Amino acid sequence: SQELEQSPQSLIVQEGKNLTINCTSSKTLYGLYWYKQKYGEGLIFLMMLQKGGEEKSHEKITAKLDEKKQQSSLHITASQPSHAGIYLCGADISGNQFYFGTGTSLTVIP
Amino acid sequence: NAGVTQTPKFRILKIGQSMTLQCTQDMNHNYMYWYRQDPGMGLKLIYYSVGAGITDKGEVPNGYNVSRSTTEDFPLRLELAAPSQTSVYFCASSRGQGTYGYTFGSGTRLTVV
Repeated sequence: SQELEQSPQSLIVQEGKNLTINCTSSKTLYGLYWYKQKYGEGLIFLMMLQKGGEEKSHEKITAKLDEKKQQSSLHITASQPSHAGIYLCGADISGNQFYFGTGTSLTVIP
Repeated sequence: NAGVTQTPKFRILKIGQSMTLQCTQDMNHNYMYWYRQDPGMGLKLIYYSVGAGITDKGEVPNGYNVSRSTTEDFPLRLELAAPSQTSVYFCASSRGQGTYGYTFGSGTRLTVV
């Protein structure tokens, strides 16, 4: 079973379009991390969310944490080819165990 | 369906001691990775391997060594433990790069005192 479910598994969008990736936990979240892997490179840390309702932005990428829904969403505005890659969420669940989602593959068509 | 298995789950080391973190995957994945995660810092890549017999350094390789004699196993060796190596270590695997997702192990919490 997967403690963290990411959706969608893959996404193909036209350049300039907005998109959202979701990360849902089956248990209480105690902090959620978002990462990105560019093709052929390692994971890049994007941001960390700790409190319910917290929202952070990094360039055109915004992430929110909804503690009640046990969910985080990652939103990209006006996508660019440079946004292509695999997006991965990771979370401290129940305070003593860290889990990762399986990732969402994003392709941006110029 | 074991996936990626990491052992041990917890370990306390004294400064200067050595240890090996074990990682095994049963999915026949070519790519394997070792990451460390420090609080609030995100994952950092230590070493990775694209196949048996091939390893390469990541972002933070100093103080660590790896080997990949088989597709299944990718152990991480700490030769002279230092307090700066106190962290949570994750092993991961993937079939390849690009659109393939990761499978992570459950992590090893290491404290060096």
